[in-house]
Amino acid sequence: EPEVTQTPSHQVTQMGQEVILRCVPISNHLYFYWYRQILGQKVEFLVSFYNNEISEKSEIFDDQFSVERPDGSNFTLKIRSTKLEDSAMYFCASSENLPTVGKAFFGQGTRLTVV
Amino acid sequence: GENVGLHLPTLSVQEGDNSIINCAYSNSASDYFIWYKQESGKGPQFIIDIRSNMDKRQGQRVTVLLNKTVKHLSLQIAATQPGDSAVYFCAESQTGANNLFFGTGTRLTVIP
Repeated sequence: EPEVTQTPSHQVTQMGQEVILRCVPISNHLYFYWYRQILGQKVEFLVSFYNNEISEKSEIFDDQFSVERPDGSNFTLKIRSTKLEDSAMYFCASSENLPTVGKAFFGQGTRLTVV
Repeated sequence: GENVGLHLPTLSVQEGDNSIINCAYSNSASDYFIWYKQESGKGPQFIIDIRSNMDKRQGQRVTVLLNKTVKHLSLQIAATQPGDSAVYFCAESQTGANNLFFGTGTRLTVIP
């Protein structure tokens, strides 16, 4: 079965540093998402991306966050100046259609630790 | 965001028994619901979904029930196996929306 791949699996960064989390969605999918999960808590929506632009974003996704699809295959999440509270598991997902029509496939996640 | 939550944080069942995991939601506009399974160290994995025009949907060993009157969703797993041990999340969305709102999660432990 095709899968969403994320790199790195674990990223440790110092507070205030920029990080870029990378994702390769499933090749024929058109919709891309980032979610995060703080340890022991529920999965939270961050942003969705379609047709090279953000289609929806949550309150968590503030000016410190940005997403990009630089080359037609990768989908990245950038955090400009990391804070301790950004420590979480970040999941990339993709779907062929909108979530209500097509199921979203999630990657294995990147564990971000801000120290 | 929408309030999607679970009644029980943990559930332990004997191998071979049936499991029932519950979820409550508060947004009447939600019309699409999904159950995800998350194993340790992995991302959520789609199990089954249901639209609001249905009240029951069956998959392989799993059944999702939707009660729109009381805004309640459940996942039934038949003949639970050790491989079913995981955290189960319900998620909800609306037609045309481009996001999912997840519930808190229930940890299912299957006792051999």
